[in-house]
Amino acid sequence: NAGVTQTPKFRVLKTGQSMTLLCAQDMNHEYMYWYRQDPGMGLRLIHYSVGEGTTAKGEVPDGYNVSRLKKQNFLLGLESAAPSQTSVYFCASSTPYGLADTDTQYFGPGTRLTVL
Amino acid sequence: LAKTTQPISMDSYEGQEVNITCSHNNIATNDYITWYQQFPSQGPRFIIQGYKTKVTNEVASLFIPADRKSSTLSLPRVSLSDTAVYYCLVGVLEDTGRRALTFGSGTRLQVQP
Repeated sequence: NAGVTQTPKFRVLKTGQSMTLLCAQDMNHEYMYWYRQDPGMGLRLIHYSVGEGTTAKGEVPDGYNVSRLKKQNFLLGLESAAPSQTSVYFCASSTPYGLADTDTQYFGPGTRLTVL
Repeated sequence: LAKTTQPISMDSYEGQEVNITCSHNNIATNDYITWYQQFPSQGPRFIIQGYKTKVTNEVASLFIPADRKSSTLSLPRVSLSDTAVYYCLVGVLEDTGRRALTFGSGTRLQVQP
């Protein structure tokens, strides 16, 4: 049981290049999330998904797209990378509990992205 | 107006009790309050979660007043290995009525020998 895994661990891009970050979870969780964390800062929600085939915008969605074609995978895409997108990207997953919003999220190890 | 607020940093010594408070004035009705711990170059790790009053597990306690507008994470007898950044996570209601999942800005705890 690997939990939440992220690919790749590190990446360097030039401005204008595109890339896709992959998140995979083996806990059969319904919800998945993408966050970014800038140096010395907290986590900010980019996009999230409450189930296969659904996605929604978070706090900072501009410049990113996501897809949830399979329940266990959540992809984050950068179509035209900018230096402002240099950050560490964390994926997380969780499962709803009854009617309450518990959001006990399990995080991956992160992807460190640098855009030159 | 900040959705959640935490102290930026705290210092403590080994063996002391540490209390970290998070303010979340606009917490959504059905939302639990969750606290995470993060070490450098790692993803956040779940510590404790609660809805109201007091919750205790093997590593921490969580105190939540009746109005739920704040919560306090209590770490008993900290050790050097508790040096980390601690985040609260809640769902808050925006002016639009939409629920927004929001991490606090984090509290950097430094434990000294």
